[in-house]
Amino acid sequence: QQPVQSPQAVILREGEDAVINCSSSKALYSVHWYRQKHGEAPVFLMILLKGGEQKGHEKISASFNEKKQQSSLYLTASQLSYSGTYFCGTASGSARQLTFGSGTQLTVLP
Amino acid sequence: DAGITQSPRHKVTETGTPVTLRCHQTENHRYMYWYRQDPGHGLRLIHYSYGVKDTDKGEVSDGYSVSRSKTEDFLLTLESATSSQTSVYFCAISESGTAAAGANVLTFGAGSRLTVL
Repeated sequence: QQPVQSPQAVILREGEDAVINCSSSKALYSVHWYRQKHGEAPVFLMILLKGGEQKGHEKISASFNEKKQQSSLYLTASQLSYSGTYFCGTASGSARQLTFGSGTQLTVLP
Repeated sequence: DAGITQSPRHKVTETGTPVTLRCHQTENHRYMYWYRQDPGHGLRLIHYSYGVKDTDKGEVSDGYSVSRSKTEDFLLTLESATSSQTSVYFCAISESGTAAAGANVLTFGAGSRLTVL
């Protein structure tokens, strides 16, 4: 079942902060975050594992609430280059594949 | 950059014709995936492979088949294309498919845009 992302879209000015949320109805082992710029392939940003380990981007942080099966991606002091569509992908059980949310379109204006 | 090549990058075809998309990797990764991307739906898994000749269905597999005869190649076939299969298709690879290890970070190819008239 597809995780639910919110908001669907957000517009902010350079230097502002944004939070993107991802929730699942299943118990999760890991949550992944990817960013896709228009006309390009999705690119890995962040992975959060059950137990709290986090690996990823130096200027973007994220949290993973295992009990609530939720994750949030925090973009602080946004830059123009942060514009794109952000997808969360969730893995549960022994699944070998990720299930992605429908995406959050982030636009950073000068 | 990881070596993933998708071909063709763009294709226009007619309803009822067969179509094969190819994904080629030079990373020797075990796992390969085909996703389709449509507005409002994000990325949806069609099929995936966890080794040569080992494949399994994803959430939107109807109308698609796959084959993997070599580690480096993963083919997606639409036996009889329909307009609902107009989409952007992404191939992805990962070293591991073990969710618990969290090692299944995906690297995506550039995508193949398919239009079925």
